[in-house]
Amino acid sequence: DVVMTQTPLSSPVTLGQPASISCRSSQSLVHNNGNTYLSWLQQRPGQPPRLLIYKISNRFSGVPDRFSGSGAGTDFTLKISRVEAEDVGLYYCMQTTQFPWTFGQGTKVEIK
Amino acid sequence: QVQLVESGGGVVQPGRSLRLSCAASGFTFSSCGMHWVRQAPGKGLEWVAVISYDENYKYYADSVKGRFTISRDKSKNTLYLQMNSLRPEDSAVYYCAKGGRDILTGGDYWGQGTLVTVSS
Repeated sequence: DVVMTQTPLSSPVTLGQPASISCRSSQSLVHNNGNTYLSWLQQRPGQPPRLLIYKISNRFSGVPDRFSGSGAGTDFTLKISRVEAEDVGLYYCMQTTQFPWTFGQGTKVEIK
Repeated sequence: QVQLVESGGGVVQPGRSLRLSCAASGFTFSSCGMHWVRQAPGKGLEWVAVISYDENYKYYADSVKGRFTISRDKSKNTLYLQMNSLRPEDSAVYYCAKGGRDILTGGDYWGQGTLVTVSS
C-alpha cells in the first residue's frame, strides 16, 4: 500500500496569513496513463470531507482561489494564501493512483 | 445538485451483519464509480471499497475483504455495503463517495455518513 505522510500535523495560523501543508508518498503517484491522482480534502468539524484539489493542482468546483496545490512524483503541497476563519479543520491528502486509496494522517489548521 | 444520503447504521453485536445504503441523486448514477470510506471516532479516513460504473470492477481494503460486499442498484440509484462478521474495529462513520467513470477518479462528493457501532 502507498503510505502518505503529512507535515505538519498541526498548523496554528494567524487570520490573513498563509498556511502550507506537505504530503509525501512512499512511492511515485504517476500512473501509467501519465496522470497523478493526488487530491486534497478538507474536513470541517462535524462535517464530511470535501474535495478541494484533484490531480495535484486542479481546484474543484466552488473552491476559493486562495487554495492551491502543487508538486510532482512523491512530494506535494497544499497552500492557503490567506487563512480565513472558515478554513479551520482537518486537511487530508489522498492518493487514488492505485488501490487501496490511502490518506495522509490529517493536518489540523487552527487559528492562533 | 449532487446528493448522497447514507442510511442503515446502528449498534450491532460482534459477528452480526448490517447493510448500509446510499441514495444518490443529482447526477447520472449509472455513469459513475462509487466508493465507501470510513472514519473511526477521532481517527483519520480509511477507504473501504469501490464499485465501477459498469460493476465490472470491485475492490476492497484488506481489512474487510471476504466480509464486506459492495453492490449497486441502478434502477434505484442506490449503493449498498453488506457487512458480515462485524468486529469492534469496524466501528466508524461510513461515508459513500462519488467517483468518476474512470475508476481512479473520485471523492468529488461525499455523503453525511452513517454511524456503525459494533459492541456487545
